[in-house]
Amino acid sequence: DAKTTQPNSMESNEEEPVHLPCNHSTISGTDYIHWYRQLPSQGPEYVIHGLTSNVNNRMASLAIAEDRKSSTLILHRATLRDAAVYYCILKNTGTASKLTFGTGTRLQVTL
Amino acid sequence: DTAVSQTPKYLVTQMGNDKSIKCEQNLGHDTMYWYKQDSKKFLKIMFSYNNKELIINETVPNRFSPKSPDKAHLNLHINSLELGDSAVYFCASSQAGRGRRETQYFGPGTRLLVL
Repeated sequence: DAKTTQPNSMESNEEEPVHLPCNHSTISGTDYIHWYRQLPSQGPEYVIHGLTSNVNNRMASLAIAEDRKSSTLILHRATLRDAAVYYCILKNTGTASKLTFGTGTRLQVTL
Repeated sequence: DTAVSQTPKYLVTQMGNDKSIKCEQNLGHDTMYWYKQDSKKFLKIMFSYNNKELIINETVPNRFSPKSPDKAHLNLHINSLELGDSAVYFCASSQAGRGRRETQYFGPGTRLLVL
């Protein structure tokens, strides 16, 4: 599986936008970029995914670089409830799909 | 309504015992998974079942035996528990056929502590 690199931790103030980066320089042309997050003491939760174009949903936006070697998860207005570990994961499998989690980015949100 | 549920939420037991963890999903998905999150917080796939058939087995010791009685349930039985089995075990489900776009839904986890 192609590897992803994320900062270990980031901090943000509440109500401000947060940009969480992910590098995936060995991404293949057919890998999808998925983001999951894990809130404290909970199971991972799907956030968003994309292939080439930028994507928006009610939780976040995903900005994908033109060469696809990096992507950024954007939380438009961070709240205390967004404090979590965010995982950037590449997927390029068929029906036997599995998620290969890295170490992720721990996001701290402060008042 | 809980989409993916696990029981028990907490499990404390002695070394050498045998225990089971149960998982149920009401999403109508046909694929279910077990993941293990160790004390360093690394999350790793253990097993995956599609339509009750084992499709992923990630070099997990034979003491771990998953069982899928139907598409909505995936249980995990662990024999002869060891200290190193202490971890949080997460069940997940997804609908196969979406390939690289497939997303998974996770349960709340079962916290296993082996003494």
